[in-house]
Amino acid sequence: DVKVTQSSRYLVKRTGEKVFLECVQDMDHENMFWYRQDPGLGLRLIYFSYDVKMKEKGDIPEGYSVSREKKERFSLILESASTNQTSMYLCASSLAIGGEDTEAFFGQGTRLTVV
Amino acid sequence: AQSVTQPDIHITVSEGASLELRCNYSYGATPYLFWYVQSPGQGLQLLLKYFSGDTLVQGIKGFEAEFKRSQSSFNLRKPSVHWSDAAEYFCAAGTEGTDKLIFGTGTRLQVFP
Repeated sequence: DVKVTQSSRYLVKRTGEKVFLECVQDMDHENMFWYRQDPGLGLRLIYFSYDVKMKEKGDIPEGYSVSREKKERFSLILESASTNQTSMYLCASSLAIGGEDTEAFFGQGTRLTVV
Repeated sequence: AQSVTQPDIHITVSEGASLELRCNYSYGATPYLFWYVQSPGQGLQLLLKYFSGDTLVQGIKGFEAEFKRSQSSFNLRKPSVHWSDAAEYFCAAGTEGTDKLIFGTGTRLQVFP
């Protein structure tokens, strides 16, 4: 089975802190994604990566950055956490672009609270 | 612009009743379509997917969905709901040559005993 693992289930951070959310997948997938989930808004794409060291902005990249130094690992970085970044963060991966390979596999999510 | 719409934010059904969750898409070409389920505090799990061929697709946990091109819909159905089906359900779509899925805003299902 494909496994996508997020390093933390719950995080509480202070305003202004630099926050790292880590995600690892074990199926040699090309694509990795970071989503943010908020009630009534569904899943919104923050950033995605289709290769090592490559990244693309999603729909809501402001206040976030990402790092992909190895194929299996994709990190989301909040440079200076703010209370409006309190949310559920979901990492996903997919094998490749297009067709059946677009199927996304999700991690368990990290619920981040910024106080 | 490409979009996925789930018109129902919240649905309540009795255990044993039938269920239909609606999903409409707006794409230039026939999209690839997915239904995911999210239990409280969990990530998303794939229920089923449609790429081509038979427009009625079977998924896990007794769910099925029907692709209707004329209505731009991909509704999820289950003949008899169990209390454990209470969760949030997301419809998603992608197309050939694109590298990401577009998700609907989700439908929260509540099941009464």
